[in-house]
Amino acid sequence: DAGVTQSPTHLIKTRGQQVTLRCSPKSGHDTVSWYQQALGQGPQFIFQYYEEEERQRGNFPDRFSGHQFPNYSSELNVNALLLGDSALYLCASSIQTGANNSPLHFGNGTRLTVT
Amino acid sequence: GENVEQHPSTLSVQEGDSAVIKCTYSDSASNYFPWYKQELGKRPQLIIDIRSNVGEKKDQRIAVTLNKTAKHFSLHITETQPEDSAVYFCAATVSGSARQLTFGSGTQLTVLP
Repeated sequence: DAGVTQSPTHLIKTRGQQVTLRCSPKSGHDTVSWYQQALGQGPQFIFQYYEEEERQRGNFPDRFSGHQFPNYSSELNVNALLLGDSALYLCASSIQTGANNSPLHFGNGTRLTVT
Repeated sequence: GENVEQHPSTLSVQEGDSAVIKCTYSDSASNYFPWYKQELGKRPQLIIDIRSNVGEKKDQRIAVTLNKTAKHFSLHITETQPEDSAVYFCAATVSGSARQLTFGSGTQLTVLP
């Protein structure tokens, strides 16, 4: 049973560039959430996708955008990269069951470094 | 929005002793409280969670307690082992808000052999 998979594992970009991160949810999961984890901090919620739509969004600028595909996989796009965007980006999947989602299962993350 | 504070930021205990990590939250509507363990370079892994209709939950050496009136919840690890060494995060959310978790800042637990 495959868990949450993310690619790439590491990425180095230059300020001003754009980046796309990818996530495949755990088998049977239909909801994908993205979190940003700065060094030494707890993860911060970016947004969540369900039925190919953004359902909830945290306090992140419009430079952060996403997409969910019919197979439930998801992409996180960040435009006009800033040095402060350097972080571990975590994808988490769950099952939407009425008002109560199942617990989140996290991937290993993509370590993004902006120079 | 929700704000979660976590203490202590670092905790060292002797193997076999107990460890307690405490969190407070601000949104009285929050009703789901998971705890995650994150080893260095690895993914956060859910170790236990509790809903607001329950005051305590146990799973072997791990327990979580919740005080809704005071808006705080705690993680208790008994008979600690070196493999318990990791960063522990508490989180809170309002079910129905699509599991938008607000995390604490983490506790680095070190179990000394």
